[in-house]
Parts: sequence; C-alpha cells; structure tokens
Amino acid sequence: DTAVSQTPKYLVTQMGNDKSIKCEQNLGHDTMYWYKQDSKKFLKIMFSYNNKELIINETVPNRFSPKSPDKAHLNLHINSLELGDSAVYFCASSHGPKLLFGPGTRLTVL
Amino acid sequence: KNEVEQSPQNLTAQEGEFITINCSYSVGISALHWLQQHPGGGIVSLFMLSSGKKKHGRLIATINIQEKHSSLHITASHPRDSAVYICAVPARNSGGSNYKLTFGKGTLLTVNP
Repeated sequence: DTAVSQTPKYLVTQMGNDKSIKCEQNLGHDTMYWYKQDSKKFLKIMFSYNNKELIINETVPNRFSPKSPDKAHLNLHINSLELGDSAVYFCASSHGPKLLFGPGTRLTVL
Repeated sequence: KNEVEQSPQNLTAQEGEFITINCSYSVGISALHWLQQHPGGGIVSLFMLSSGKKKHGRLIATINIQEKHSSLHITASHPRDSAVYICAVPARNSGGSNYKLTFGKGTLLTVNP
C-alpha cells in the first residue's frame, strides 16, 4: 500500500527522557512535514523538508530536531521531554496538490 | 499572520441534510485546503483549491478569492460523514509553500441517522 507510516502509534514516557518518532513515505513525494495537534485539537506546522533539506522551521523549541536521512524518511527526535510536549504528532508528505498524512503518534509525557 | 475562522464550531444534522461549513481568512492566499479528521484521529486531505469550485462525490468546495471565503458543502449527508472538518491556508510568510499552513479550529459535524 502506498502511504505515509509513522511509528510508534502511541508513546508514553517520563519527563526528561529523549524519544524519537519515525516517519516513512513510499509515495515518491519530495516534501515531508511534521505537524503537532494539541489537546484542543489545534493543528500547527513544526517542520518541513524538501529533498532532505529543511525549508520550514517554525518556532519550535530546539529540543525538537528533525532528521531526514533520505527523501522517504523524516524522523522527529525530542530531547528532555516536558509535560507540554504531550500531543498527537502527524507526519505528512506532499507532491503538487496532494497532501497525505500519517496516522499520527500520540505522545504522553508523565 | 493569516487568521482563519471557521463556522460553525459544531454542527448536528439529520441524515440526508445538505451541510455547509464556512471558512474565512484574513490575508490573500494562493490555495486553501479542506481536511477531514475522523473520530479515530486520521486526517485526510479533501481538497486543495485556488479558485472556483471542486467536487468529489458528495463533497463540494468553493472559494471566493476576493471575499477571502471558502465553503465546504456535503450533499445527502450520512452518519459516516461525522468528523471534524478543518480549513487551512498558507501562512503569510510561507515563502510560496502551499503547505506551511495555518489551520482553523475545525468544525465538528455529527450526522444522526
């Protein structure tokens, strides 16, 4: 199946830990994104990569670091997790008018 | 910053009714997105449109660039249409990207059988 996949689907961790969320797309899209959806269901863009290059970097704490080893992957690493980082993180990819989202990763920081 | 306002916030309809969800934005844009978020959490892009009207099945999206307004219509609504519908536009400093998006707060649609 052609899709955007994310792992893990759920992530529960303690404050202060470091964690990663992985994203892969097999659609051949050039551009990938990370979006955050907070507890009020409000979506906000965090990062965008085009052909492995960072093109959008919103006002996100530098504890968040995206890494794109190749066009098909955009991983999100988070250092020193805080309670406020609890949210659903969506990866997405685009090509022309097509924008596809991954299933989301629900991160809970205790 | 491009402000995006959606109305209504919540909408309850009976199966078969015609649904309209509205979106207004404050700054001129190149394209507007309508997204659907299912109760299970998955997000689907329904439309990206820059002018006129697009139709996909029972869904119709229209945009009036001059009035900075878009509508999403659902004809013959069905309980499976129950979801959150989100309007999104490129941020003011998007640098031409159609995907550095500013999102509306969403409209929760519930269609009862």
